[in-house]
Amino acid sequence: DQQVKQNSPSLSVQEGRISILNCDYTNSMFDYFLWYKKYPAEGPTFLISISSIKDKNEDGRFTVFLNKSAKHLSLHIVPSQPGDSAVYFCAAAPPGTYKYIFGTGTRLKVLA
Amino acid sequence: GEEVAQTPKHLVRGEGQKAKLYCAPIKGHSYVFWYQQVLKNEFKFLISFQNENVFDETGMPKERFSAKCLPNSPCSLEIQATKLEDSAVYFCASSQSGFSGNTIYFGEGSWLTVV
Repeated sequence: DQQVKQNSPSLSVQEGRISILNCDYTNSMFDYFLWYKKYPAEGPTFLISISSIKDKNEDGRFTVFLNKSAKHLSLHIVPSQPGDSAVYFCAAAPPGTYKYIFGTGTRLKVLA
Repeated sequence: GEEVAQTPKHLVRGEGQKAKLYCAPIKGHSYVFWYQQVLKNEFKFLISFQNENVFDETGMPKERFSAKCLPNSPCSLEIQATKLEDSAVYFCASSQSGFSGNTIYFGEGSWLTVV
């Protein structure tokens, strides 16, 4: 049973526009969420995180929103750049554990 | 070092052979994690260490997989008698702390192909 789901396997966005990547989870005990970006043949690179006590965290062009009642988080990238083209993973962990559970990823393609 | 270093980058083994992968965590990080990425981008947690002690091994297939983190040595993940389904990218990650609320940083992965 997939506890962290990324239902969109791919997304294409025009350069300069907003990219919105979505992630849903089933375990209400998850208290920390991470977003990673992954290029082919490389390891995942940490992008941004959010604690369950917040509903928004912003870092430059990247903003993560958390809706606990809907068990949903989203990553917004504004403005999108061609270099943002990669696979994006969300991950979540229950409190007191480091056993992060990853979604299956969304491949973002930013078109120049 | 400043990054998680994994070796080798690529490893090819015949079915039944042993495979051993290595990981040097970021300097100052006490926690090490191993993940397996097979198909369709799924990351499977294998095991975590706090220094040289196993922290959580609930993801490890215990029959053929073993892992160690010894003082002053790279951590290792060993697969005895590899099977075709062990073909995957094995990622090592490290973190300063062992609990949620701390970011884990990944290495570039070791690509194991079992033929």
